[in-house]
Amino acid sequence: DAGVIQSPRHEVTEMGQEVTLRCKPISGHNSLFWYRQTMMRGLELLIYFNNNVPIDDSGMPEDRFSAKMPNASFSTLKIQPSEPRDSAVYFCASSPTGGLSHEQYFGPGTRLTVT
Amino acid sequence: AQTVTQSQPEMSVQEAETVTLSCTYDTSESNYYLFWYKQPPSRQMILVIRQEAYKQQNATENRFSVNFQKAAKSFSLKISDSQLGDTAMYFCAFMKHRAGGSEKLVFGKGTKLTVNP
Repeated sequence: DAGVIQSPRHEVTEMGQEVTLRCKPISGHNSLFWYRQTMMRGLELLIYFNNNVPIDDSGMPEDRFSAKMPNASFSTLKIQPSEPRDSAVYFCASSPTGGLSHEQYFGPGTRLTVT
Repeated sequence: AQTVTQSQPEMSVQEAETVTLSCTYDTSESNYYLFWYKQPPSRQMILVIRQEAYKQQNATENRFSVNFQKAAKSFSLKISDSQLGDTAMYFCAFMKHRAGGSEKLVFGKGTKLTVNP
């Protein structure tokens, strides 16, 4: 199993540009989570999907952020326009249906730098 | 809302010795799960150990064990026979129960553990 795949691994962009982060969950997993990690705020949930439907987007900072899950094998997190305070590591995680362990499997993360 | 507190920003231990990382949490939920995740310099998040709140027995995974005190809302991680590869950030995390699937994780700020040779 390839695990959760995220791309790109690193992204450097200028303020005002659009940024799109991508995630491919583990096949068969029906829940997908986007987390952001910063020094100031630590790890926090941005949004999560269950069966491709957004369940909790209370962590999305503002309208500049949007997330989609058009099918069970792909999700995107878009920032438009990007700002320097968006610099962080963005993790995607997936979890299977009915799993007794409720474990979330994390991708390697995307390190975003906005200059 | 749930909160998770890790009161030790940094800790160090000598190789082969034992170290305990502290975690407390606050919730009004009765059914939930607790986790310890390890994040080495590679930044990959790795699950170390999990505990179901309805289980009284403390979870154990090889050299890793927890001391789960539900009434005190405490969930500490003990690492025995520390190894250099244990050097990492350790995050305590809370998840409330949802039938049929996973819920969001609420993380503490983390403890940076250094194992010295």
